[in-house]
Amino acid sequence: QKEVEQDPGPLSVPEGAIVSLNCTYSNSAFQYFMWYRQYSRKGPELLMYTYSSGNKEDGRFTAQVDKSSKYISLFIRDSQPSDSATYLCAMSVTNRDDKIIFGKGTRLHILP
Amino acid sequence: NAGVTQTPKFQVLKTGQSMTLQCAQDMNHEYMSWYRQDPGMGLRLIHYSVGAGITDQGEVPNGYNVSRSTTEDFPLRLLSAAPSQTSVYFCASSYAGTGGTDTQYFGPGTRLTVL
Repeated sequence: QKEVEQDPGPLSVPEGAIVSLNCTYSNSAFQYFMWYRQYSRKGPELLMYTYSSGNKEDGRFTAQVDKSSKYISLFIRDSQPSDSATYLCAMSVTNRDDKIIFGKGTRLHILP
Repeated sequence: NAGVTQTPKFQVLKTGQSMTLQCAQDMNHEYMSWYRQDPGMGLRLIHYSVGAGITDQGEVPNGYNVSRSTTEDFPLRLLSAAPSQTSVYFCASSYAGTGGTDTQYFGPGTRLTVL
């Protein structure tokens, strides 16, 4: 079983819809959870950072961590065409960034 | 601030050639990393540095060398290029104060093709 599983997509949704992106993981020791956004031919950009369980909201973005189910989610409200990108989940046991395990990414298309 | 810069943007090498991928950051970050990104494989850590003069291996270090003589620069050397090293290479930097996971900035990447 891979440490971090993420559906590669592509996921296509109409503009204005709520988007749900998810990752599952197998290592119960993960405590730090991140979501990165990567536009085509660009470097990843840290979007959301969460420590342990719970929710974190930033504008239209909400990150949710359920450690009991080993499941993390990123919700995008009122999705825009500019949200079209690949979204990478990432997680780590420690807060050292040399220990981060990345998911393979989900390609998201927001249709105007 | 320019953030994290990488040169070149694109490079084509022949098998056996060597080259250096450059990475620089102007945010005074202690931590710097090199990743490669391949289709279906995600991001994988090649080498890592926690400060000038200190480097460590990541998940896929074979065929690559690094050194860190200054806080700003972290070059990645391919010793003898192989087709398996065809990939997109990203440099990243982060602030050590909180461990790095919450402040990681990536460069724009170098697309390398080895023939």
